[in-house]
Amino acid sequence: RKEVEQDPGPFNVPEGATVAFNCTYSNSASQSFFWYRQDCRKEPKLLMSVYSSGNEDGRFTAQLNRASQYISLLIRDSKLSDSATYLCVVNNAGNNRKLIWGLGTSLAVNP
Amino acid sequence: DAGVIQSPRHEVTEMGQEVTLRCKPISGHDYLFWYRQTMMRGLELLIYFNNNVPIDDSGMPEDRFSAKMPNASFSTLKIQPSEPRDSAVYFCASSLMVATDTQYFGPGTRLTVL
Repeated sequence: RKEVEQDPGPFNVPEGATVAFNCTYSNSASQSFFWYRQDCRKEPKLLMSVYSSGNEDGRFTAQLNRASQYISLLIRDSKLSDSATYLCVVNNAGNNRKLIWGLGTSLAVNP
Repeated sequence: DAGVIQSPRHEVTEMGQEVTLRCKPISGHDYLFWYRQTMMRGLELLIYFNNNVPIDDSGMPEDRFSAKMPNASFSTLKIQPSEPRDSAVYFCASSLMVATDTQYFGPGTRLTVL
């Protein structure tokens, strides 16, 4: 099983739609969770951290489910500018702490 | 404030040549990371430094790859000799105090080895 798994998509949705992505992780001891956004031919940028209680930033909501070992990202009222690849990121639990990156989920918001 | 700076932005070279990628992290950040990104394998951590000291180089693919951080504001990733399978985008990132904190990425170096 991969350490971090995401559905690669692509997800094609119309403007205004609500779309949700899930990401599963294998290490039950992981403590840090993030969603990053990567535009085509650009660098990844932090979208939001994911906290145990769930958190919201405008149209974006992130949730953590420790029992099932997954995190989710919900985007409401999709905009054309939301089109990007969304990377799920989780820390490992080895002696040298580092981030493990999913392969990403591609989202295309269509007019 | 300046973000992470990488050079060159694009590099095209022939197999067997030496390639040196450069990175200047955000001032005051203690951690520096080198990643490689390909379509097939996604974003892979090659090596990271804490206060200029290499902490984990388990992702370095083979002896052809080496990385240095001579001071807090400069790091290099060298490939010698380069091979076509090294073609990828190489990102440098830095974070403030913890290896698992928010990472800030440079624009990347797109490397093509012919």
